Amino acid sequence: TQLLEQSPQFLSIQEGENLTVYCNSSSVFSSLQWYRQEPGEGPVLLVTVVTGGEVKKLKRLTFQFGDARKDSSLHITAAQPGDTGLYLCAVPGGTYKYIFGTGTRLKVLA
Amino acid sequence: NAGVTQTPKFQVLKTGQSMTLQCAQDMNHEYMSWYRQDPGMGLRLIHYSVGAGITDQGEVPNGYNVSRSTTEDFPLRLLSAAPSQTSVYFCATRYGGASDTQYFGPGTRLTVL
Repeated sequence: TQLLEQSPQFLSIQEGENLTVYCNSSSVFSSLQWYRQEPGEGPVLLVTVVTGGEVKKLKRLTFQFGDARKDSSLHITAAQPGDTGLYLCAVPGGTYKYIFGTGTRLKVLA
Repeated sequence: NAGVTQTPKFQVLKTGQSMTLQCAQDMNHEYMSWYRQDPGMGLRLIHYSVGAGITDQGEVPNGYNVSRSTTEDFPLRLLSAAPSQTSVYFCATRYGGASDTQYFGPGTRLTVL
């Protein structure tokens, strides 16, 4: 059983559409991170959220941490081909460890 | 600054062979980790280190050894490669606490025949 469940697993949309991906768990976390990974490269941190209900914006990307700090969402407005990639959420799994979700693979078609 | 570097980029091994995946960082970060990434499984922690001379096991440590003799380097050793170790391996570093940014290397794609 995965500690972090990400949905959907795959998403293919047209350029200009909006989308939301989710990261869910039954556990409470002190913080949650979102990463984007492009083919052939390592993940790159997009944002860290630490407060329940917190909303952070990064250009067309909006991240929200659930009020109970058990889940998070990533909303992309007017998706572009450059948004294509694997989106991963991650949470602390102890003082020194991270636990990653299985990811949402997004493809934005021009 | 090079950040986090990994070598080799690609490697093919035969079952039973040994090899070392190299990871180096120039950011003076204390924390370093090795992950493997398999389809549908996300990133799973193999081993990690909280400083030179200190290492510990992660979620999937079997078949892998690590050591940390310097702050900069954190090699991952496969003692006797198995097909189940076919994967993409990522090294990551971070400066401090759990909410700090992790910086990943570009990965090593390993195939074991």
